[in-house]
Amino acid sequence: GQQLNQSPQSMFIQEGEDVSMNCTSSSIFNTWLWYKQDPGEGPVLLIALYKAGELTSNGRLTAQFGITRKDSFLNISASIPSDVGIYFCAGPYTASKLTFGTGTRLQVTL
Amino acid sequence: NAGVMQNPRHLVRRRGQEARLRCSPMKGHSHVYWYRQLPEEGLKFMVYLQKENIIDESGMPKERFSAEFPKEGPSILRIQQVVRGDSAAYFCASSRAGGNTEAFFGQGTRLTVV
Repeated sequence: GQQLNQSPQSMFIQEGEDVSMNCTSSSIFNTWLWYKQDPGEGPVLLIALYKAGELTSNGRLTAQFGITRKDSFLNISASIPSDVGIYFCAGPYTASKLTFGTGTRLQVTL
Repeated sequence: NAGVMQNPRHLVRRRGQEARLRCSPMKGHSHVYWYRQLPEEGLKFMVYLQKENIIDESGMPKERFSAEFPKEGPSILRIQQVVRGDSAAYFCASSRAGGNTEAFFGQGTRLTVV
């Protein structure tokens, strides 16, 4: 089935470092969503993007809707231990089916 | 302002039994989605429902799986005659409208088939 590709697959960073991850699709999207999932929990919506070129921030998180509408980027500044988790991008391939990326696993060391 | 509520959080079933998973959407949300997640993998779409209607069930296995969202009460995902391969986390999400709107997830039900 259709799938969004995320990179990197996993990251080990030190506390205080900035983090960047991206998500690419073979199809054009009108919406990009970024979620974070903690172990044993459901995904939590972090940022929603609705317009090509849009740059949106939520605290230390900043996400961008790529100009081509086939990619999106998520940046985390000054990472802290609670940023640990799996980050998923998501987009609607159809009006009903929200498709998720493969995920980026983030681990933060002190 | 309760979020999406799923129950039970954990469910253990023997092979051949039925599993029934419940999802109450957020207040004001009439669109419900079910996803399955295997360990170390992403979320895979199963079904999209509005009140009393199945809109898209393209991700549902053809046999043993069914879903409903009645006029009153929670959405139910039913798995009949469970097999070990059904063991996974099942997440429900809801949104105010369909399509490109934001979907919010519940905490999931972890099904273990023994």
